[in-house]
Amino acid sequence: DSGVTQTPKHLITATGQRVTLRCSPRSGDLSVYWYQQSLDQGLQFLIQYYNGEERAKGNILERFSAQQFPDLHSELNLSSLELGDSALYFCASGGQGDTEAFFGQGTRLTVV
Amino acid sequence: GIQVEQSPPDLILQEGANSTLRCNFSDSVNNLQWFHQNPWGQLINLFYIPSGTKQNGRLSATTVATERYSLLYISSSQTTDSGVYFCAVNFGNEKLTFGTGTRLTIIP
Repeated sequence: DSGVTQTPKHLITATGQRVTLRCSPRSGDLSVYWYQQSLDQGLQFLIQYYNGEERAKGNILERFSAQQFPDLHSELNLSSLELGDSALYFCASGGQGDTEAFFGQGTRLTVV
Repeated sequence: GIQVEQSPPDLILQEGANSTLRCNFSDSVNNLQWFHQNPWGQLINLFYIPSGTKQNGRLSATTVATERYSLLYISSSQTTDSGVYFCAVNFGNEKLTFGTGTRLTIIP
């Protein structure tokens, strides 16, 4: 158990819909990272939050947004979903500076 | 640009065999991690190894930062070792850049 909790584990939704993925970091970790794993793009960094503030942005679409709350849990919001958004979405915590990053179990999103 | 390359892309071995997986990276690193993605999709931490050598049971890893590569050794392979092995590198901006992975299949 990595200590990073993601919900839900699976999500099936229709094109055009909006979904919210949730992540609780390991106790004591201030950073949360979101990654997307798709068949054609591999594992790619989306966005990082540190103690409630956005810290870095990667290849995140404008239809996607995230936030980190005062209790340090984070949510990734995906809107106007397309078939190509089907992927495994991971949350990670730790990793700031030179520290080790730990990943949640992922949310498998299927857009139909 | 910044790159992380893994080889071989695929590896099929008999149970009991040994293997070496390689990760080459294009720039100096702050952090390098090896992960095993199991058939259920979970990313399992194997090693946090920005430099030097570490061992954990049948697995060991070596990173030679000055030559920009890391090696993961798996000895006496078991079927549960099957899955995809990823090398991921932090080039100093805290996010991890992942390689494309090595898919390992262990045949009983």
